[in-house]
Amino acid sequence: DQQVKQNSPSLSVQEGRISILNCDYTNSMFDYFLWYKKYPAEGPTFLISISSIKDKNEDGRFTVFLNKSAKHLSLHIVPSQPGDSAVYFCAASARDFGNEKLTFGTGTRLTIIP
Amino acid sequence: NAGVMQNPRHLVRRRGQEARLRCSPMKGHSHVYWYRQLPEEGLKFMVYLQKENIIDESGMPKERFSAEFPKEGPSILRIQQVVRGDSAAYFCASSPDQGRPLHFGNGTRLTVT
Repeated sequence: DQQVKQNSPSLSVQEGRISILNCDYTNSMFDYFLWYKKYPAEGPTFLISISSIKDKNEDGRFTVFLNKSAKHLSLHIVPSQPGDSAVYFCAASARDFGNEKLTFGTGTRLTIIP
Repeated sequence: NAGVMQNPRHLVRRRGQEARLRCSPMKGHSHVYWYRQLPEEGLKFMVYLQKENIIDESGMPKERFSAEFPKEGPSILRIQQVVRGDSAAYFCASSPDQGRPLHFGNGTRLTVT
């Protein structure tokens, strides 16, 4: 039962253009959503998050959008840079008495073309 | 990632041996989570611990796997009698009290031969 889905295994974007990564979820109890970036042989690095009470959160070149009615979120990176090439994981949690366990998607490999 | 320390980075075990993976959370963090990533898959939750307590082990296999987070020292994920299917990357994450987000270590890559 895949509660968090990233349907695009890979994405290639020209340097300087916008990268849009998508994520869908099925569990209505999720109230917090995150994006992590992962390089090979390293652990996931937290990028940006959004609470379910918001529909947008911005941090520099990264913006996350949340559409609760569609159970969909997206990560926008603009402008895209070569260092953004990595695997991006969408994750979600439902706060349960302090338990912050995350449910991850399967990841999207982003390649920025110079 | 440097804040959460995992060791060893790579571990090779023969079938039937035991594997011990260690995790020291970030300073000031008292909550530890273990995740497993199989090849070409996302990270799967295994267990959530606080000091001396297992809070949620709903993702742990029923046999051969155990975890602890003692009052002193790192958290340990122990896999007894390893099999080839245990080969994966094991990640530890930590958080402060009532804190988000989770911060991950660089993982231990277990290879069972």
